[in-house]
Amino acid sequence: QSALTQPASVSGSPGQSITISCTGTSSDVGNYNLVSWYQQHPGKSPKLMIYEGSKRPSGVSNRFSGSKSGNSASLTISGLQAEDEADYYCCSYAGSSTLVFGGGTRLTVL
Amino acid sequence: EVQLVESGGGLVQPGGSLRLSCAASGLTFSRYWMSWVRRAPGKGLEWVANIKEDGSGKYHVDSVKGRFTISRDNAKNSLYLQMNSLRVDDTAMYYCATFRSGWSLDCWGQGTQVTVSS
Repeated sequence: QSALTQPASVSGSPGQSITISCTGTSSDVGNYNLVSWYQQHPGKSPKLMIYEGSKRPSGVSNRFSGSKSGNSASLTISGLQAEDEADYYCCSYAGSSTLVFGGGTRLTVL
Repeated sequence: EVQLVESGGGLVQPGGSLRLSCAASGLTFSRYWMSWVRRAPGKGLEWVANIKEDGSGKYHVDSVKGRFTISRDNAKNSLYLQMNSLRVDDTAMYYCATFRSGWSLDCWGQGTQVTVSS
């Protein structure tokens, strides 16, 4: 049950695109197409942004997209907006009805 | 609209106990797996426990096994987390959440703060 690896921080200017990586192992990310991504603003509850690697829940902007390759997954945010500034977490099914989160990435919009 | 409201957090001494509750509305509670997730100060999200729709399956992260127990009462649309032998590093905001497809957590409560300190 080791945490997935994410960069501690990323930044970008309004209108740009950024990508947040999430690296796991063959026991979690690599073994299942069950990665989800969450956005959390300070003092707020997490919000589901991507599930099953690349699917967007209803109401989530199509500026958010997800992908997976091998033991790694990625979240891409295009057309950065000030409101995107938040913490982002990946999460993967890890077998035996358990989950594992990444350490989180702080996105700063410059 | 789905609503999850956590309660039961507070300040407790190391070695003490707390029981967190999560009241659910706006959904057929008995049809959903449920989860507890926590976020310690200055740290990231950590999955704590899951429970099957009918309560027959319960799963906990290794760091809380033997100390925490997830449970539910479908007649009361409520989820619980019994926390015993609390440690300072259990200090966190605790969230309950519902599962949707693909083992993702799509609805979250506002959280309840647990502080373990002498």
